[in-house]
Amino acid sequence: QKEVEQDPGPLSVPEGAIVSLNCTYSNSAFQYFMWYRQYSRKGPELLMYTYSSGNKEDGRFKAQVDKSSKYISLFIRDSQPSDSATYLCAMRRAAGNKLTFGGGTRVLVKP
Amino acid sequence: ETGVTQTPRHLVMGMTNKKSLKCEQHLGHNAMYWYKQSAKKPLELMFVYSLEERVENNSVPSRFSPECPNSSHLFLHLHTLQPEDSALYLCASTAGRVGDTIYFGEGSWLTVV
Repeated sequence: QKEVEQDPGPLSVPEGAIVSLNCTYSNSAFQYFMWYRQYSRKGPELLMYTYSSGNKEDGRFKAQVDKSSKYISLFIRDSQPSDSATYLCAMRRAAGNKLTFGGGTRVLVKP
Repeated sequence: ETGVTQTPRHLVMGMTNKKSLKCEQHLGHNAMYWYKQSAKKPLELMFVYSLEERVENNSVPSRFSPECPNSSHLFLHLHTLQPEDSALYLCASTAGRVGDTIYFGEGSWLTVV
């Protein structure tokens, strides 16, 4: 079993719709949770960063962490074609420098 | 622009060649990483350097040889690679404090022919 599971997609939505992404994980030691966006042939770009359980919003992006269920989510409201990319979840323990990534979900927002 | 710069952006090399990838960070971070990203596979951690000392080596074949001469620079030396080593190689850095996140460069696209 992979430490972090993420549906590879592709997830296709019409412009303006809400994009809903999620990851599940098995290691209860993970404390910090991140979402990265990666455009084709580019490096991952940090979108959202949360610590432990709870919600965080930044503009059109909302991240949720439910540590009891080992489940994290990213919501993108009012999606735009420019949101078309691969979204990677990542998480790390309290100590150490290692990030563990999900496989990424490819998102297509159609005009 | 994340402050992490990788060169070259694209590299094509033969299986008998020796080449190097370079990474430079301008963020004052003290930990640097090499990740490998292949098609349809999660990002794979290769090496971690903290304060110029290698702290993690994820069973990477010896044909990949990292070098960290100072806290701002990281190299990945490549020799006698295989076609299956073709991938996007990503450098990243972090300040190294508990909870700090990791910032990535744009990556070096490597094709082994």
